[in-house]
Amino acid sequence: NSKVIQTPRYLVKGQGQKAKMRCIPEKGHPVVFWYQQNKNNEFKFLINFQNQEVLQQIDMTEKRFSAECPSNSPCSLEIQSSEAGDSALYLCASSLWQGINERLFFGHGTKLSVL
Amino acid sequence: KTQVEQSPQSLVVRQGENCVLQCNYSVTPDNHLRWFKQDTGKGLVSLTVLVDQKDKTSNGRYSATLDKDAKHSTLHITATLLDDTATYICVVGQTSGGNYKPTFGKGTSLVVHP
Repeated sequence: NSKVIQTPRYLVKGQGQKAKMRCIPEKGHPVVFWYQQNKNNEFKFLINFQNQEVLQQIDMTEKRFSAECPSNSPCSLEIQSSEAGDSALYLCASSLWQGINERLFFGHGTKLSVL
Repeated sequence: KTQVEQSPQSLVVRQGENCVLQCNYSVTPDNHLRWFKQDTGKGLVSLTVLVDQKDKTSNGRYSATLDKDAKHSTLHITATLLDDTATYICVVGQTSGGNYKPTFGKGTSLVVHP
């Protein structure tokens, strides 16, 4: 069973609405990643954190997407104004560090449907 | 252009049979390669990671190879079980300046029949 907890499992929003999803990484894991998996099984890296600091993020994330990993609170990914093309499975993963041999542990994802 | 190509796209086998999944990539540099298993509607579970120029790993009924010269990896599943039904995803990872950048394949959908 995944120890990375993502909520909600399913999220339905209308175009233009905010969509917010949360992730509790595995205990003790300071590194958190967010990925988008679309219906064609294409993965897109969105953003990653080490502790509360952003390490990398793609251009898309800088515009309508915002994310944070506050201390002692779940990490979150928020889409300010949802578009139909945002419909996808959003996966959160955590690891102890970013080393090659470090395992990534994924949550079950939040499936976002934008109507 | 697709940087990580997996084949076949889908595969159907009978329980107990062996199968081989392929991953060809053009990502450079190619620091390491991971294989993940994704059950329907679930997250990804790491099966193995390959690092060396020519590498082999074994994890129970899963074994994998990597040839960085050919930019090619295989995942072998022996004596398949019904629970092996899933999508298997090849991910080529790059690390630069301490940052990790993965490139995902679209996966091979495996169905194991009784």
